[in-house]
Amino acid sequence: DTEVTQTPKHLVMGMTNKKSLKCEQHMGHRAMYWYKQKAKKPPELMFVYSYEKLSINESVPSRFSPECPNSSLLNLHLHALQPEDSALYLCASSQDPRGRRNIQYFGAGTRLSVL
Amino acid sequence: ELKVEQNPLFLSMQEGKNYTIYCNYSTTSDRLYWYRQDPGKSLESLFVLLSNGAVKQEGRLMASLDTKARLSTLHITAAVHDLSATYFCAVNTEYGNKLVFGAGTILRVKS
Repeated sequence: DTEVTQTPKHLVMGMTNKKSLKCEQHMGHRAMYWYKQKAKKPPELMFVYSYEKLSINESVPSRFSPECPNSSLLNLHLHALQPEDSALYLCASSQDPRGRRNIQYFGAGTRLSVL
Repeated sequence: ELKVEQNPLFLSMQEGKNYTIYCNYSTTSDRLYWYRQDPGKSLESLFVLLSNGAVKQEGRLMASLDTKARLSTLHITAAVHDLSATYFCAVNTEYGNKLVFGAGTILRVKS
C-alpha cells in the first residue's frame, strides 16, 4: 500500500479565513513534504519534514504554517491567504530521508481557491 | 542551483508510433525520477534511476540515465491512448530531499 491521504479534496476560503490541510500516511515513512502546483506547472517544494522535524523551508511566506504532530500526520495551516495562493497542494511521503532510493509517494492533493 | 529541462513540452503522437522525451539537468545528482500526472490527479511514480547506464522498463515505457551527459530519456514504444498524460522528470539535489521537477511534457496520443 502506497497511499497518502489528503483532506479536504477541495477548499474555498476567503482572505481572512483560517483553515488547515491534512495529510496522513501509514507506510512508516519518515519524511513528509508539502508541494504547491499551479495549473500547467510542475510541483514546487514548500516544506520537508524529516523524522518529524522541519528540515527544509523553501522561503515560504508565513501565512503558510506547517506542522508535523507525529510520524504519520502532516498539516498545513493557512491564514490570510491571497488569491494568488490558489493552487493544488500536494503532500508526499518517502521511506527514509537518508536512503538513496527514496521514492516520494504523492497524495491526491487539495485544490484550494482563495476568494 | 539545480535546473531541470524537459523537451518537448508538448507531444502529439499517433497511436502505434514511437517517441522520446528528454530530460537534462545542470548539476551532479545521483537520483532521477519519472512521474506521470493525469489531468486533475496526483503524481504517480514510474521509475527511479540511480546509476549511470541504468535502464528501467514498464510496459511501453522505458527510461534510461546517462549521468555523464546529465541526461535521462523516456522512450515510448507503440503509443496507445491510455498513455496520454503529463510526464515529469525530477532530480534530487545533492543535499537533503529536495526534488526539482522539469516543466513537464504533455503527451496526447491520437487514435
